[in-house]
Amino acid sequence: GQQLNQSPQSMFIQEGEDVSMNCTSSSIFNTWLWYKQDPGEGPVLLIALYKAGELTSNGRLTAQFGITRKDSFLNISASIPSDVGIYFCAGRYRNTNAGKSTFGDGTTLTVKP
Amino acid sequence: DVKVTQSSRYLVKRTGEKVFLECVQDMDHENMFWYRQDPGLGLRLIYFSYDVKMKEKGDIPEGYSVSREKKERFSLILESASTNQTSMYLCASSLVGSFNEQFFGPGTRLTVL
Repeated sequence: GQQLNQSPQSMFIQEGEDVSMNCTSSSIFNTWLWYKQDPGEGPVLLIALYKAGELTSNGRLTAQFGITRKDSFLNISASIPSDVGIYFCAGRYRNTNAGKSTFGDGTTLTVKP
Repeated sequence: DVKVTQSSRYLVKRTGEKVFLECVQDMDHENMFWYRQDPGLGLRLIYFSYDVKMKEKGDIPEGYSVSREKKERFSLILESASTNQTSMYLCASSLVGSFNEQFFGPGTRLTVL
């Protein structure tokens, strides 16, 4: 199946620092999605990107759909303790009417107060 | 609010037992999905369904089957549980169409002894 490489695998940062993570694919996606999973819960959608080059913000979060359609990044500015969790990228192809997504392996974020 | 519920948060079973994991969504979504989540492997799709009685294999269907007799309910079945099926199982649902967000349940952590 399609491979998504997500990095870094984990991050340990100090409260207030900025965070950056990214995903790369060996083939093109038409939609990129970023999810966050809080401990003990299911993933929740943070940002959805639908066009190459698109840059979208959601509060302190900013994500971009790469020009090549093969990558995406997520930035978190001024991290706070509640940012702790696992962040997943996911990609979708066109014509997946069932909405199938391919997920990255996740980036585990730890924020020290 | 969209709600996806899973029948158990934690489950312990013995090798060889038949295991049923139930998922119910209350938003009349056409699509439903079962994933398993393992450390370092992200979310891997087991099966999905885009309509009642319809199902398609995901990336790792071996050892699993599913049932969708009603639109709101999607069951994952382990015919004969094995220790390598110890994992976190996540159910999700979405409206039809490749642009629609998947909503996840809280997960069932299954341990097979």
